[in-house]
Amino acid sequence: ILNVEQSPQSLHVQEGDSTNFTCSFPSSNFYALHWYRWETAKSPKALFVMTLNGDEKKKGRISATLNTKEGYSYLYIKGSQPEDSATYLCASHGGATNKLIFGTGTLLAVQP
Amino acid sequence: NAGVTQTPKFQVLKTGQSMTLQCAQDMNHNSMYWYRQDPGMGLRLIYYSASEGTTDKGEVPNGYNVSRLNKREFSLRLESAAPSQTSVYFCASTNKGTSGNTIYFGEGSWLTVV
Repeated sequence: ILNVEQSPQSLHVQEGDSTNFTCSFPSSNFYALHWYRWETAKSPKALFVMTLNGDEKKKGRISATLNTKEGYSYLYIKGSQPEDSATYLCASHGGATNKLIFGTGTLLAVQP
Repeated sequence: NAGVTQTPKFQVLKTGQSMTLQCAQDMNHNSMYWYRQDPGMGLRLIYYSASEGTTDKGEVPNGYNVSRLNKREFSLRLESAAPSQTSVYFCASTNKGTSGNTIYFGEGSWLTVV
């Protein structure tokens, strides 16, 4: 994998559903993997920063896992609420170059 | 503590005009970045500065120049604006710490080139 890729591109779920998205990133020269929540017309806000293989982080109903050997991370939302509707971005932070490359995001729409 | 501040917030330019987007951070971060956001494209890296005195091209550098004036400030210049540069521009900063520090974003600059 040369770029940061996210799937699916968009997701429509009902309130109360649990959901998850995937971020794939280059596993070579890895330093950190970031997850951001991005609401329209606002700046992205940090959810998690993950660096260690096997790392799991949780914030309320949202959690994330990291596999640096195979180059992927999952973001999970348990019991989705309408206020969870946003674009969820992941970014791979390179080691030697300090480059920070974002995926195109997963747009989540939660219907009440 | 203002975080990352970028100006202007909105700007309309005519094709061929030049302008500079300013960005400043007060968190003593080493690394600063400029991104553009277009529909369906996510955030694309234009230029970045890993530390004071260095700048490097990102994914989409053509048509832009940058200056890392000091540790606090990182400006993005459009020398001859084109309609394809109509976009929302975000400045960001971070430090590389042992735990992969959080990235902080400015509020965005909406640029329209007509």
